[in-house]
Amino acid sequence: DAGVIQSPRHEVTEMGQEVTLRCKPISGHDYLFWYRQTMMRGLELLIYFNNNVPIDDSGMPEDRFSAKMPNASFSTLKIQPSEPRDSAVYFCASRPRRSNTGELFFGEGSRLTVL
Amino acid sequence: AQSVAQPEDQVNVAEGNPLTVKCTYSVSGNPYLFWYVQYPNRGLQFLLKYITGDNLVKGSYGFEAEFNKSQTSFHLKKPSARGSDSALYFCALRDMVFNKFYFGSGTKLNVKP
Repeated sequence: DAGVIQSPRHEVTEMGQEVTLRCKPISGHDYLFWYRQTMMRGLELLIYFNNNVPIDDSGMPEDRFSAKMPNASFSTLKIQPSEPRDSAVYFCASRPRRSNTGELFFGEGSRLTVL
Repeated sequence: AQSVAQPEDQVNVAEGNPLTVKCTYSVSGNPYLFWYVQYPNRGLQFLLKYITGDNLVKGSYGFEAEFNKSQTSFHLKKPSARGSDSALYFCALRDMVFNKFYFGSGTKLNVKP
């Protein structure tokens, strides 16, 4: 299995621009999570999906952030407009439902820099 | 409230010596505990987990962790540290009710030759 695939690995953009991060979970995994990692705040859960349905988005910072999962093999995290404080590494992770006590499988992350 | 604490930002150990990375937790109900490792510019990789049973859990790369219910701890250990163990280590607690993982702040392990 290829694991969780994220793109782009690195993104540098200017304040005000739209940013779209992409994630392909491991095939057969029913849960998908988006995390943000910064030095100051560590790992923060932004949102997670179960069977493509958003279950908890309480971690989404503000309305500039949105996430979708149109099908079982693809999810996006969009920031519009982006701000310098959004600079972070964004991780996608997935987990199979059948493993009720199971661990998360993380992608390699997307490093976002907003100038 | 569910939470995980890693009291040490950094741990330094000499190669060949035993290492311990500390983790304490707070949970209502049974704890489901995990350790992850993160190498530079990489995602988090699963090391091991405690769900139930034996208090000593063995995982990848020779790591093990000791679950201690009375001390609410889940410390990560390795008998002999290697240079390749230098990385960032995260302890995590799974909330079975809300299906969330709570991660500690991370501990940077430095293994020196």
